[in-house]
Amino acid sequence: GAVVSQHPSWVICKSGTSVKIECRSLDFQATTMFWYRQFPKQSLMLMATSNEGSKATYEQGVEKDKFLINHASLTLSTLTVTSAHPEDSSFYICSAPRANSPLHFGNGTRLTVT
Amino acid sequence: AQSVTQPDIHITVSEGASLELRCNYSYGATPYLFWYVQSPGQGLQLLLKYFSGDTLVQGIKGFEAEFKRSQSSFNLRKPSVHWSDAAEYFCAVGASTDKLIFGTGTRLQVFP
Repeated sequence: GAVVSQHPSWVICKSGTSVKIECRSLDFQATTMFWYRQFPKQSLMLMATSNEGSKATYEQGVEKDKFLINHASLTLSTLTVTSAHPEDSSFYICSAPRANSPLHFGNGTRLTVT
Repeated sequence: AQSVTQPDIHITVSEGASLELRCNYSYGATPYLFWYVQSPGQGLQLLLKYFSGDTLVQGIKGFEAEFKRSQSSFNLRKPSVHWSDAAEYFCAVGASTDKLIFGTGTRLQVFP
């Protein structure tokens, strides 16, 4: 079964509002989680590394103030898209590494900003 | 620079035909290599991985991949494709199992 849960699976919001996406590791602790963004028919681009108990590490070109990441516990990381605009519409996927195992991915969140 | 290239954006095969999806990488050392599959609107499912040892690795759903160091390639193969294999396939590399670099993906379409 799934070991990484992502919620919601899809969300529609109005321009200017904020949206929070949750990523949970279900039966293991993850001190690190990764957030990816995927545009239609394109690959996954790493946005940031979420670190439990410390600040997230953002990839070059990713706006820290727009994409707020909080790793509140060893099983939960959240990505908040602040003041969302239509160009933020995308598919967001989280992943979490598990000891002696490849990355486990959530099922993704489809964000549509109208 | 580290990169992954999947030369084929879109491949169409008939059900029952063999399949090979290409993946080439540029990396400083021998990386960890992965193939993931993604169905529409879904996350990624690991098909197989290569860390070390036997260069021919077996995965789920009848897939296999061969690591060729001399060619910096990690091509995915399946001897007989099923209609349910239609999906997007991503090759990925990394220094470990964590932070991965993904290729641009190959969309597989299967005709009956």
